[in-house]
Amino acid sequence: ETGVTQSPTHLIKTRGQQVTLRCSSQSGHNTVSWYQQALGQGPQFIFQYYREEENGRGNFPPRFSGLQFPNYSSELNVNALELDDSALYLCASSLDGGLDVYSTGELFFGEGSRLTVL
Amino acid sequence: EDKVVQSPLSLVVHEGDTVTLNCSYEVTNFRSLLWYKQEKKAPTFLFMLTSSGIEKKSGRLSSILDKKELFSILNITATQTGDSAIYLCASKNSGGSNYKLTFGKGTLLTVNP
Repeated sequence: ETGVTQSPTHLIKTRGQQVTLRCSSQSGHNTVSWYQQALGQGPQFIFQYYREEENGRGNFPPRFSGLQFPNYSSELNVNALELDDSALYLCASSLDGGLDVYSTGELFFGEGSRLTVL
Repeated sequence: EDKVVQSPLSLVVHEGDTVTLNCSYEVTNFRSLLWYKQEKKAPTFLFMLTSSGIEKKSGRLSSILDKKELFSILNITATQTGDSAIYLCASKNSGGSNYKLTFGKGTLLTVNP
């Protein structure tokens, strides 16, 4: 148990729809990172949020967007869903503000939200 | 483009065997190399390696980094069925003051009784 909770655990959408995934970070953690893990692949960095602002982004199109709230929980929104968006979406929390100098590298991952796009 | 390559992609062994998992990386602004274990969904942290040649150990698991040759290995001795999992290697790349993790595809380890 990492103290990071994600919802929903599973969901099915159709192409073109929009989806919102939610993450509650571990108590006291101020940084949330989102990763996409397709079947048979390692997690790919989507973006990171610190103090309610995006603090780094991977190679994902603008239809992937996010929010972080004052309590440090976070949402991942994906618009205009495509079949290739089918994946496990992992949220990870840490207490380093996304700052390399403070990072121990230890991210606390949630169990993920498995999205299937038909 | 940042790249992390793990080998083998899958491995089947018997309990008691020793295994070595490999990870090579080719990334810009490398800071450190991390290993995670993923059993069902959530990856769990194993090691972070920053300096070359210094072995990190935790029980039957150990890992070492070679920054000259750009690779790391994860050793598991006296394997148990509970070691069955996907082992992920990731590089921590610095983008100025912040960072991101670039993961490999993972090695699926199956330990049979």
